[in-house]
Amino acid sequence: EVQLVESGGDLVQPGGSLRLSCAASGFTFSSYWIHWVRQGPGKGLVWVSSIRGDGNDRSYADSVKGRFTISRDNAKNTLYLQMNSLRAEDTAVYYCTRGGYPVVTPAEYWGQGTLVTVSS
Amino acid sequence: QSALTQPASVSGSPGQSITISCTGTSSDVGGANHVSWYQQHPGKVPKPIIYEVSNRPAGVSNRFSGSKSGNTASLTISGLQAEDEADYYCTSHTSSGTWVFGGGTKLTVL
Repeated sequence: EVQLVESGGDLVQPGGSLRLSCAASGFTFSSYWIHWVRQGPGKGLVWVSSIRGDGNDRSYADSVKGRFTISRDNAKNTLYLQMNSLRAEDTAVYYCTRGGYPVVTPAEYWGQGTLVTVSS
Repeated sequence: QSALTQPASVSGSPGQSITISCTGTSSDVGGANHVSWYQQHPGKVPKPIIYEVSNRPAGVSNRFSGSKSGNTASLTISGLQAEDEADYYCTSHTSSGTWVFGGGTKLTVL
């Protein structure tokens, strides 16, 4: 059974930093694109970042480029999102999602999400 | 990276059919068949219901169908049921190698 478990969400002040983690199990982690998708309170889904299975291809939404860094440790089956220079508008539930194969989709499986609140 | 355009809300009576549109550009929706749809009930994690424009994941009702014409993808739900009341989101891969979601559509079953 595919499982994605996010952790690391917290209350942080504007300008602060946070690192999210996503522990994966039930599939060959290194074979899949993994993504971060966020959802602000009462708002829609927004794609944040993606990383290829081998870690050598990454992409970011314009709204987080230069502030967030996605990475993965395939030996630990874990995905990370380092979030710096946080802003109030980054407040959201952050979901870790697994891409599909062979179907092309960013979110065949979803974690339960972790809440990040940016406020003073 | 502009969000895909979806109607904010749609409604229908039980048994009827509704269609939700998802409009993008030739750089995303119109550029390839990499459009997916997700259903999200309040307080729940989104659930995939359509992949690659028109393919249903295992276990998803055949009342859900997808299509695409030009830069607009569509999700049709036939034989509306009360349990279909939820938010629906489309997403598409882009020519830049990123992904973009639509703003979401709230479906109300009258």
